[in-house]
Amino acid sequence: GQQVMQIPQYQHVQEGEDFTTYCNSSTTLSNIQWYKQRPGGHPVFLIQLVKSGEVKKQKRLTFQFGEAKKNSSLHITATQTTDVGTYFCAGPSGGYQKVTFGIGTKLQVIP
Amino acid sequence: NAGVTQTPKFQVLKTGQSMTLQCAQDMNHEYMSWYRQDPGMGLRLIHYSVGAGITDQGEVPNGYNVSRSTTEDFPLRLLSAAPSQTSVYFCASSYLGPNTEAFFGQGTRLTVV
Repeated sequence: GQQVMQIPQYQHVQEGEDFTTYCNSSTTLSNIQWYKQRPGGHPVFLIQLVKSGEVKKQKRLTFQFGEAKKNSSLHITATQTTDVGTYFCAGPSGGYQKVTFGIGTKLQVIP
Repeated sequence: NAGVTQTPKFQVLKTGQSMTLQCAQDMNHEYMSWYRQDPGMGLRLIHYSVGAGITDQGEVPNGYNVSRSTTEDFPLRLLSAAPSQTSVYFCASSYLGPNTEAFFGQGTRLTVV
């Protein structure tokens, strides 16, 4: 089935540094979603990208969808301690009745 | 709106016991799904439903049953619990299917001893 690979699995940054997580698929995706899960919490939807080359911003978060719609990235500028958590990408699979989540990138921000 | 409600939040089972994890949503979403989350493995789909009366298997369905008799409820049944089913379980729902925003429940932390 569809595989969505996500790297890195862990990232430690000093507060104020930037952070990027990458998501890659072997096949073209119709869309990609990003979620954030705080420690001990549940995944919360951040955004969905659907267009080739799409770039969307949410305050310090920048989301990109590749031109070939096979990769995506989430970039956080000037991290804060509130950014701590695990960030997941998710793409369609199995005839578009299912979603496959990436393994997630766990972000630790050192004050 | 309560959103997606899962019960219980925590559960300890003995090997071989059965139990049902409850999931209810009040958003009139057609699509519901169950995931398990294990360290280093992300979220893996167990079962999903595209509407009342319709369910299908996900990536890791063995040892679990589901039913969808109403739009609101999507319980997950563990038939005979095994230590390998120790995990955190999340129920999710979305309005137009899996490729729209999913709303997750708070999760159930299950330990099988």
